[in-house]
Amino acid sequence: SQTIHQWPATLVQPVGSPLSLECTVEGTSNPNLYWYRQAAGRGLQLLFYSVGIGQISSEVPQNLSASRPQDRQFILSSKKLLLSDSGFYLCAWFPEPGNTIYFGEGSWLTVV
Amino acid sequence: GESVGLHLPTLSVQEGDNSIINCAYSNSASDYFIWYKQESGKGPQFIIDIRSNMDKRQGQRVTVLLNKTVKHLSLQIAATQPGDSAVYFCAENNGGSYIPTFGRGTSLIVHP
Repeated sequence: SQTIHQWPATLVQPVGSPLSLECTVEGTSNPNLYWYRQAAGRGLQLLFYSVGIGQISSEVPQNLSASRPQDRQFILSSKKLLLSDSGFYLCAWFPEPGNTIYFGEGSWLTVV
Repeated sequence: GESVGLHLPTLSVQEGDNSIINCAYSNSASDYFIWYKQESGKGPQFIIDIRSNMDKRQGQRVTVLLNKTVKHLSLQIAATQPGDSAVYFCAENNGGSYIPTFGRGTSLIVHP
């Protein structure tokens, strides 16, 4: 069966520090991968998605970036965090349009 | 743009009551709908789905109803329990889009 993992689960970072959140999917190949951010009490905001290695689409212009170095790995990064980057980040995948999208456990980021 | 929305941000019920959470969508091309449950600090979990060729689907204590005429989706939870307290999202996608659309979410509070 397919599983999705992301880490770290929680982190507290100072303003201006770098960020790296990692996500991996197991049990499938060529998944469509997504990064969402969820602010407290808000809905899901799509940040990036990838339909293949090296293919990244950005939905929201910001100081975050994403990379997909391997088929089942998706990384969310920042060179310098802002206070406004705080939030709950979710990695997700689904096999193809018209199917269920599955989420990771989430990563809480607090920028101080 | 196209969107999926929820009518009520918060729903409070007594334990044992039936709960109904509603969702409106605007994309007439949507052909697959999903309900998710998100507990505090965790990623959304799949509850039940329905395709556009159906108008009702039942799971364990949950039922999803789809009214394509008015573009309305609902989640019914029978005999609601305190463990059902969470935020519930609806989502939609279709075979032509790599970007699922999520509703804002409804917070279900179950009082013992």
